[in-house]
Amino acid sequence: EAGVTQSPTHLIKTRGQQVTLRCSPISGHTSVYWYQQALGLGLQFLLWYDEGEERNRGNFPPRFSGRQFPNYSSELNVNALELEDSALYLCASSLRLAGADEQFFGPGTRLTVL
Amino acid sequence: AQSVTQLGSHVSVSEGALVLLRCNYSSSVPPYLFWYVQYPNQGLQLLLKYTSAATLVKGINGFEAEFKKSETSFHLTKPSAHMSDAAEYFCAVSDLGSGNTGKLIFGQGTTLQVKP
Repeated sequence: EAGVTQSPTHLIKTRGQQVTLRCSPISGHTSVYWYQQALGLGLQFLLWYDEGEERNRGNFPPRFSGRQFPNYSSELNVNALELEDSALYLCASSLRLAGADEQFFGPGTRLTVL
Repeated sequence: AQSVTQLGSHVSVSEGALVLLRCNYSSSVPPYLFWYVQYPNQGLQLLLKYTSAATLVKGINGFEAEFKKSETSFHLTKPSAHMSDAAEYFCAVSDLGSGNTGKLIFGQGTTLQVKP
């Protein structure tokens, strides 16, 4: 069974640019989550999508947004990039009712903002 | 609100020694708890989870964890460390305080070093 996949693996952008990260969940999983892992800040919850709808978002500014497609894949968009957006962005997926179900993580996209 | 505290950002053990990584949680509702491992430049891999069944949970790679409600702890152990266990370990709790938020709350992580 294929795991969660993310693309690209690495990305270098400059301040003010926009970036789109992509995630494909495990087959049969309807929920997709995004987390930011920045140096010194640990793993921070960004967004939760389920059945095409945004269900919850973390404490991040509106320039972080995303969407989920009918095939349950997802995109994370970050506008007006700032230096502190440099981080590993992790996508995870789970069956519905994520409280008890574990989240399965992808390998991440490493974003560097110069 | 739920929270997780991992005691010790770095733990060093000798190969073959006991591994003990500490995790304490705070939760207003019965918690769902997880341990994940992250190898360098990789994503997170689930080691084990607690979802209110048996209090002693066995996971992959010889790891296990015991849920102790009275101590609000969920410590991770492995009887004999292997060089391949060197990685960063994260304890996490599902944020269910105000319904299903979909959010995992992670501890700050513990880096395990295994010395030959």
